[in-house]
Amino acid sequence: DVKVTQSSRYLVKRTGEKVFLECVQDMDHENMFWYRQDPGLGLRLIYFSYDVKMKEKGDIPEGYSVSREKKERFSLILESASTNQTSMYLCASFTPGQGPGELFFGEGSRLTVL
Amino acid sequence: DAKTTQPPSMDCAEGRAANLPCNHSTISGNEYVYWYRQIHSQGPQYIIHGLKNNETNEMASLIITEDRKSSTLILPHATLRDTAVYYCIVRVAFNAGGTSYGKLTFGQGTILTVHP
Repeated sequence: DVKVTQSSRYLVKRTGEKVFLECVQDMDHENMFWYRQDPGLGLRLIYFSYDVKMKEKGDIPEGYSVSREKKERFSLILESASTNQTSMYLCASFTPGQGPGELFFGEGSRLTVL
Repeated sequence: DAKTTQPPSMDCAEGRAANLPCNHSTISGNEYVYWYRQIHSQGPQYIIHGLKNNETNEMASLIITEDRKSSTLILPHATLRDTAVYYCIVRVAFNAGGTSYGKLTFGQGTILTVHP
C-alpha cells in the first residue's frame, strides 16, 4: 500500500523550542508539500519541494523552514516555536501527470506549543 | 491561482444523493478541478478530478459546466461514513527547466453531514 508517513501524530512543545516534523513517502514522488490546517481557515500551504534540495515558499512560510536532502523525505522545521504555530500539520506528495493526479496525504501531526 | 467558493455546510439524508457545488469563475483553460474530502482527524482523501468533461468513478461523479466556471460533486447514495469536509480545488500547474510540477491550494471546504 502506498503511504505518506508523518513521524509524530501528536507533539507538545514549549515556546522557543526548535521543532522538527518529518515526512516520508514510499512512492518515489518528486513533489512534496507541507500544509497547516486551522479551524475556519482550511488548508494553507507552507512550503513545497519539486526535487531534492529544491524548495519553494507557499502562502504562509513565515516562521518555518524546510529540508529535502533525500527524495523520499521532506522535513518541516520551526526554528523557534510560538503559540500561534499550534496547529495540525499535513504532509502530502504526488508526481504530476501520473495516473489520476492523486495527491497522497499523511495522517497529520497535531502540534501544541505552550 | 484560481479561487474556489463553496458553501460552508450541507446536510443530506442517508441513501440520498449529495450534491456539493463549487464556483471557480476565474479558472484558466489548463486548470483542473479536483475534489478531496477529510474525515475527522484523518488526512484528506482524493475523490475525483476533471478538466472539461464530466467524470465518474467508484466514489462519485463530477459535473463541470460548459463554461467551466462551476462544478458539482455528486455522491449518488450517501452513507453516514461520507460525513466529512469536502474540498474543491483548482490545480495550477507551471513549468520550470523542463520539469512539470503543480501547486494545490485548499480553501475552507463544505462540511457535509449525512444523517439517518
